[in-house]
Amino acid sequence: GENVEQHPSTLSVQEGDSAVIKCTYSDSASNYFPWYKQELGKRPQLIIDIRSNVGEKKDQRIAVTLNKTAKHFSLHITETQPEDSAVYFCAAMNDMRFGAGTRLTVKP
Amino acid sequence: KAGVTQTPRYLIKTRGQQVTLSCSPISGHRSVSWYQQTPGQGLQFLFEYFSETQRNKGNFPGRFSGRQFSNSRSEMNVSTLELGDSALYLCASSLGTSGGSSYTDTQYFGPGTRLTVL
Repeated sequence: GENVEQHPSTLSVQEGDSAVIKCTYSDSASNYFPWYKQELGKRPQLIIDIRSNVGEKKDQRIAVTLNKTAKHFSLHITETQPEDSAVYFCAAMNDMRFGAGTRLTVKP
Repeated sequence: KAGVTQTPRYLIKTRGQQVTLSCSPISGHRSVSWYQQTPGQGLQFLFEYFSETQRNKGNFPGRFSGRQFSNSRSEMNVSTLELGDSALYLCASSLGTSGGSSYTDTQYFGPGTRLTVL
């Protein structure tokens, strides 16, 4: 089946630094790419999403970029804070495929 | 609006038994999707139901089945449980305005049911 690859699997940054998580997908028919944040013991929460008719979307410290030609999209978190520590999942929703997750740790 | 709810939250079963999990979507949402989450495999898609019909299916064996009722509530059943079925089972609801090969709906997750198979 089609896959979504997510990198890196773990990411550790210093508070205030930026964090970037990248995902690639293989189904060119995918049109919707959400990002979810899952804190320990909690449900995944949507933090930002992008649809294929735009190349970039920003919401305060979070941004997502999409390159449909190359079939990859990225999550950018600026000015990271300890409360950003969580597991982040990307998805290419055409066939409900999620990436394996990135465990982000922000050190104070 | 109330969020997505799932019952029970925790379940312990033994191998060979069967289990039924329940999911109540956000009011007005007509699509319910089910996922299995394990530490090694991440979020794996099981199936999606819309208007009481299975609209999309992942790569899980036939022991995993589901259904949806007229009020959009959904149940998932796993028969002949195996040790490897131990996982967090999450459901997610969406409006259901898109589906099939053009899925673009935002999904909202429930808290999950933690299933342990002994």
